[in-house]
Amino acid sequence: QQPVQSPQAVILREGEDAVINCSSSKALYSVHWYRQKHGEAPVFLMILLKGGEQKGHEKISASFNEKKQQSSLYLTASQLSYSGTYFCGTEGGTDSWGKLQFGAGTQVVVTP
Amino acid sequence: DGGITQSPKYLFRKEGQNVTLSCEQNLNHDAMYWYRQDPGQGLRLIYYSQIVNDFQKGDIAEGYSVSREKKESFPLTVTSAQKNPTAFYLCASTPGTGGSQPQHFGDGTRLSIL
Repeated sequence: QQPVQSPQAVILREGEDAVINCSSSKALYSVHWYRQKHGEAPVFLMILLKGGEQKGHEKISASFNEKKQQSSLYLTASQLSYSGTYFCGTEGGTDSWGKLQFGAGTQVVVTP
Repeated sequence: DGGITQSPKYLFRKEGQNVTLSCEQNLNHDAMYWYRQDPGQGLRLIYYSQIVNDFQKGDIAEGYSVSREKKESFPLTVTSAQKNPTAFYLCASTPGTGGSQPQHFGDGTRLSIL
């Protein structure tokens, strides 16, 4: 079952912060985050494992709340290069390793 | 540099025609995947393969077929049974077959109906 992402879209000025949420109704083993520029392939950002581990990539960080089956991606002091569509991909237990369920995506536009 | 090569970049299909999308990787990755992406939507898994000569159906396998005769190659055939094939197709790979493996994507093939 697909995870639910929110918001669907967000417009930021350079330097502003944003949070993107990803929720699942199923128990999760891990959550992946990817960014896709228009017409290009998705690019891997980070993976979070159950246990609430927080990871970072440049000024982009994320957390995973195992109890709520929810992950949040934090865009801090956004840059123009952060524009794109962000997808979360969720991974269930060992019987579904590698089989990611992707959310519908959150479109992020960063303006000067 | 290692990576995933998808070809062609653009492909057009006539009614009743089968077409094959190529995916080659030189990353020495064990697992490979095919996804379909429709406008404004996320990626949906078509087929995946964790080892040569073996593959499994994903969530939307109907109308598609694959083969994995070599570790580096995982071609996808869109058959005439797939009634709505217009989409962006992405091939991906992971180093191993366990959990929590980052997926590396090719640049995609955009398929349209003539």
